[in-house]
Amino acid sequence: DQQVKQNSPSLSVQEGRISILNCDYTNSMFDYFLWYKKYPAEGPTFLISISSIKDKNEDGRFTVFLNKSAKHLSLHIVPSQPGDSAVYFCAASSSYSGAGSYQLTFGKGTKLSVIP
Amino acid sequence: DVKVTQSSRYLVKRTGEKVFLECVQDMDHENMFWYRQDPGLGLRLIYFSYDVKMKEKGDIPEGYSVSREKKERFSLILESASTNQTSMYLCASSFRSYEQYFGPGTRLTVT
Repeated sequence: DQQVKQNSPSLSVQEGRISILNCDYTNSMFDYFLWYKKYPAEGPTFLISISSIKDKNEDGRFTVFLNKSAKHLSLHIVPSQPGDSAVYFCAASSSYSGAGSYQLTFGKGTKLSVIP
Repeated sequence: DVKVTQSSRYLVKRTGEKVFLECVQDMDHENMFWYRQDPGLGLRLIYFSYDVKMKEKGDIPEGYSVSREKKERFSLILESASTNQTSMYLCASSFRSYEQYFGPGTRLTVT
């Protein structure tokens, strides 16, 4: 049972335009969400996060939106740059999981290609 | 900067061998994690540890074990490697937060 879903395996966007990556979740206990970026042959790096008490968080060109009622979040990248080409993973966690483990559940990832 | 290092970037082992993958973090993080990444399957949690000598199973622990004797070091052990364990293995650590810091990964091939 996949609790975090990224339904688009890939996305192509022109340089300078907006990239929108989507993520859906099924577990209503999730209350913290993160986006990670991964280049080939490297480990994922943290990009941006959002708590369920917010519906938007912004950091430079990156904005994450959370719609709790729809159990949906999205990552907006504006403007997109060729260096943004990578695989983006959505991740979720629940503060109710106990043991202080801060365990994350990841989606399958979306490969973003920004075309110059 | 947080640094998470993994013992090997690339590893080739034979079926049935015992394989050790080591991970070291330099930031006194309490939590450490082992994932595998496979095409089309994303990152799947194998095991995690929230303290020395403590371990918890993740989503796919079968065929793996772990060891955490020191806070900075978390080892993943494949008792008898099989071809379906060919994968990219990623180690991560965190300190009382959801933000995890990842190592560069070990590409393991089992032949």
